[in-house]
Amino acid sequence: GNSVTQMEGPVTLSEEAFLTINCTYTATGYPSLFWYVQYPGEGLQLLLKATKADDKGSNKGFEATYRKETTSFHLEKGSVQVSDSAVYFCALYGGSNYKLTFGKGTLLTVNP
Amino acid sequence: GAGVSQSPSNKVTEKGKDVELRCDPISGHTALYWYRQSLGQGLEFLIYFQGNSAPDKSGLPSDRFSAERTGGSVSTLTIQRTQQEDSAVYLCASSSSPSGSTDTQYFGPGTRLTVL
Repeated sequence: GNSVTQMEGPVTLSEEAFLTINCTYTATGYPSLFWYVQYPGEGLQLLLKATKADDKGSNKGFEATYRKETTSFHLEKGSVQVSDSAVYFCALYGGSNYKLTFGKGTLLTVNP
Repeated sequence: GAGVSQSPSNKVTEKGKDVELRCDPISGHTALYWYRQSLGQGLEFLIYFQGNSAPDKSGLPSDRFSAERTGGSVSTLTIQRTQQEDSAVYLCASSSSPSGSTDTQYFGPGTRLTVL
């Protein structure tokens, strides 16, 4: 079945640091890949997505590239802000499986 | 328009009682999903509706859990004889895709269920 593995947190960074959160997946066929973010006290929001190999999703300075050869979708941001503090979830959606499969989430804390 | 809404936002119940959780999807969205978020298990899929039909109920953890959707809109998740392990945040999501493909799922704020 489908599965998503993302780096365990928590991750603590200083403002303006570079961020990478690793995500790898196992799936049959050609899944779509997503990063969702959950800010403190709020619901899940889509951050970015990519629907085919080599696509790059981007939003709010975050980027992730769909790498089929390494089955990865790592999230990156060049300069994090305090307001980026949140839990980040990698997820996939694929084939005849009508559901999102999520990683366990990574808590990011950015200190001023 | 309005996003996905869920009610109640918080529910505290006693073990053994039944609870109903409600989801109002985004208007016009034909696909509706229920997920559960708990500390030990992360985010888990429960059930998927396309219109009023549920082609995938594979995530429902036991026969105490059921869900229905009426008029292709509002959905209710019912948990009978609640147990302490049912304590979690129950999330509803909807998407506009008529065939459950790759369209984005939009999530509601969730219902936090606590079973004492």
